[in-house]
Amino acid sequence: DTAVSQTPKYLVTQMGNDKSIKCEQNLGHDTMYWYKQDSKKFLKIMFSYNNKELIINETVPNRFSPKSPDKAHLNLHINSLELGDSAVYFCASSQLTRVDEQYFGPGTRLTVT
Amino acid sequence: AQKITQTQPGMFVQEKEAVTLDCTYDTSDQSYGLFWYKQPSSGEMIFLIYQGSYDEQNATEGRYSLNFQKARKSANLVISASQLGDSAMYFCAMIMPHSGGGADGLTFGKGTHLIIQP
Repeated sequence: DTAVSQTPKYLVTQMGNDKSIKCEQNLGHDTMYWYKQDSKKFLKIMFSYNNKELIINETVPNRFSPKSPDKAHLNLHINSLELGDSAVYFCASSQLTRVDEQYFGPGTRLTVT
Repeated sequence: AQKITQTQPGMFVQEKEAVTLDCTYDTSDQSYGLFWYKQPSSGEMIFLIYQGSYDEQNATEGRYSLNFQKARKSANLVISASQLGDSAMYFCAMIMPHSGGGADGLTFGKGTHLIIQP
């Protein structure tokens, strides 16, 4: 069973479009995260979210918004895509009381043309 | 703000040799956790090892050990008896737990690209 899954694995789209990346975890975790890995392989936290609190990295443009329909899902919605949004996006999850266990999804490679 | 520094952008190592990947961190908090992740060319993030700031023993997981030197703020990863399959990017990362539970996510270093040569 896949612990943290993301769809799609690859996403190619044009500038200006709106797109979503879905993330699901079946670990019963209560905290989920989105990370962005740029072309130089640098990984940066974008959001962390549990059912009580959303923490947004201040450098993330407000075109990016996390949406959580329930505790097992944290989707990433991106409006008005730009070339610089091309990256690999990773979802991750952990238990609120066990931050030492951080499970990553397989990543979604987004290419904006 | 916390910071992670990995000073080795790339390393070449002969198979079966031991490897040490450097990581230093900067935080003024007393409670934190340190991770190492492996990212092979296929792209997934593979958890290797974790060290809590209050852990007195250095963490070990199979061929991986973390050389934790708190006073020097270093958390080097040691891979014993390297294998060709160890060729990958390696990331050091830090987490700052909240007192009430949870965390803001991992802060990553820039990574070290390790290549194991036969």
